[in-house]
Amino acid sequence: EAGVAQSPRYKIIEKRQSVAFWCNPISGHATLYWYQQILGQGPKLLIQFQNNGVVDDSQLPKDRFSAERLKGVDSTLKIQPAKLEDSAVYLCASSLETRTLRNEQFFGPGTRLTVL
Amino acid sequence: GNSVTQMEGPVTLSEEAFLTINCTYTATGYPSLFWYVQYPGEGLQLLLKATKADDKGSNKGFEATYRKETTSFHLEKGSVQVSDSAVYFCALSEGAGGTSYGKLTFGQGTILTVHP
Repeated sequence: EAGVAQSPRYKIIEKRQSVAFWCNPISGHATLYWYQQILGQGPKLLIQFQNNGVVDDSQLPKDRFSAERLKGVDSTLKIQPAKLEDSAVYLCASSLETRTLRNEQFFGPGTRLTVL
Repeated sequence: GNSVTQMEGPVTLSEEAFLTINCTYTATGYPSLFWYVQYPGEGLQLLLKATKADDKGSNKGFEATYRKETTSFHLEKGSVQVSDSAVYFCALSEGAGGTSYGKLTFGQGTILTVHP
């Protein structure tokens, strides 16, 4: 079974530029998560999708971050414009379900963003 | 809100030493508890989990027991190996009925280095 795929693996941009990250979850997984992991900290949830609907985006800085999962499969996370403090690893995870014990999250390798 | 606190690291041990990484949590209701591991250059992987009080999760020689009375989920291993060198994250997921069911809240991570 293929795991969660993310691209690109690395991205370097200047502040005020835009950037987009892509995630393809494990086939059949209804729930998709985006996490931000700043160096030296644990991952922090940015947004959670159930199929193509948003379940939780309370921690997403909506003035600059946006995310979509149009067909309930792959997802894109965008930052526009980027700030220095956005430098982090962006992790995508997926799970089969949420409201049952089959809610183990499987993580992708992450995208490391550096904002100069 | 929910929170997870891990012992401050990094932790450096010799091979075959005993390992304990402390983790305490604050949560409403009855959360599920997890330990994730991140090996160098790889994504987060689930190491073990426990879904109710007094449950013991175990995998690859690692163990952790869900202690509701002390709100703890300490990770232990009797004899560490060089290959256990990684970053370890304690995490919780809110129980069923919570508004953020499925969302993982992570601790800050503990870097473990094992020397031969």
